Amino acid sequence: SYELTQPPSVSVSPGQTARITCSGEPLPKRYAFWYQQKSGQAPVLVIYEDGKRPSGIPERFSGSTSGTMATLTISGAQVEDEGDYYCYSTESSGYHRGVFGGGTSLTVL
Amino acid sequence: QVQLVESGGGVVQPGRSLRLSCVASGFTFSSYGMHWVRQAPGMGLEWVAVISYDGSDKYFADSVKGRFTLSRDNSNNTLYLQMSSLRPEDTAVYYCAKDRVKGARDQYNMDVWGKGTTVSVSS
Repeated sequence: SYELTQPPSVSVSPGQTARITCSGEPLPKRYAFWYQQKSGQAPVLVIYEDGKRPSGIPERFSGSTSGTMATLTISGAQVEDEGDYYCYSTESSGYHRGVFGGGTSLTVL
Repeated sequence: QVQLVESGGGVVQPGRSLRLSCVASGFTFSSYGMHWVRQAPGMGLEWVAVISYDGSDKYFADSVKGRFTLSRDNSNNTLYLQMSSLRPEDTAVYYCAKDRVKGARDQYNMDVWGKGTTVSVSS
């Protein structure tokens, strides 16, 4: 099995751009997904297939990948964007096991 | 709208078994794979297992492989997680989640989650 590595925390002021990274060996071959989890709530999908945004997710959320790194970018972060963010991907070995990154706590203040 | 409701959580002694259920509504259950994801107190998300839309493919995290089994009843829109030989480290909120892609058999991923059910393994 493999790991996805995220920074434990990111902090920005309102209106600034927040970038959360996720690194892992299979990412060039497998899609990255991003989930937002606010305190006491279930996770919400904010980016799928590296850079696509589900309906209802604000345009300030975007995703990209380069080599073994995926990045979630929140352009003009708002206070309501505070929470934990998790990247997710799947193994490329043929056994379709999922894996989450350790999560990044985003503070906007 | 899509709704997932988990049940079956509770307090159980180490070594015992427990079965979780997830009842789905608002979509064609038989067309989508389904996941279980757990979150230990104060910790991050851990993917547990996925079952394909027809139940023919099942994949598990190493931490539960051989102890947990997955099944689904497409006629009753229900997903099950049978947990055996439970350990204290299995203590977590267990979320049921719907796969995003209809008929998927690769790169399983989740788009809608339930609110979770809490499992506590303690003597």
